[in-house]
Amino acid sequence: EIQVVESGGGLVQPGGSLRLSCAASGFTFSDHYVDWVRQAPGKGLEWFGRSRDKAHSYTTEYAASVKGRFTISRDVSENSLYLQMSSLKTEDTAVYYCVRGFYSGADLYSGDYWGQGTLVTVSS
Amino acid sequence: DIQLTQSPSFLSASVGDRVTINCRASQGVRRYLAWFQQKPGKAPKLLVYAASTLQSGVPSRFSGSGSGTEFTLTISSLQPEDFGAYYCQQLNSYPLTFGGGTKVEIK
Repeated sequence: EIQVVESGGGLVQPGGSLRLSCAASGFTFSDHYVDWVRQAPGKGLEWFGRSRDKAHSYTTEYAASVKGRFTISRDVSENSLYLQMSSLKTEDTAVYYCVRGFYSGADLYSGDYWGQGTLVTVSS
Repeated sequence: DIQLTQSPSFLSASVGDRVTINCRASQGVRRYLAWFQQKPGKAPKLLVYAASTLQSGVPSRFSGSGSGTEFTLTISSLQPEDFGAYYCQQLNSYPLTFGGGTKVEIK
């Protein structure tokens, strides 16, 4: 069974740091892009980061809203993806989702599997 | 950044109604567009990708169409379980972006 499971959310003060984990199982992790998507309370979805697959050297992309503050990394041996968040702001408060990418032919899409999400609250 | 504008933002319809949700992109995204359904407290679920390809397991009453800047998600006969929020997403260029969402209520 394919699963992605996030963990590591919690309450953190503004300016603080937090590391989220995304554990993958049931598929060859290195063959898939993985995205991070977040959702602030009562708001819509926001894509903010991507880890490409092994064929693309696990390179990353970030939205401007998090670039320079968030870092995505992979531990392929552990089938895990990590999101290191620093200089957190109150506007980073959201449910954070780990999302699997997939190929349709040669085209890349995202979102066939989502984790359950983990809540990050940035507040003093 | 490519902006996605969904309309309407809210709709209320009866079981059996045909429902249409629109998604307009500020720049062409070819056919790199997906649709998601999200129910309260749950992760989104992929319905359609590549503008018109139905994801495995999704009921055939859902369909997607369009290319370039204009896209549509249609529910041919609304069912009670179709309530929730619907989002489009473009995957043509970074940053990937989502539409603002359409909330569907069953009358």
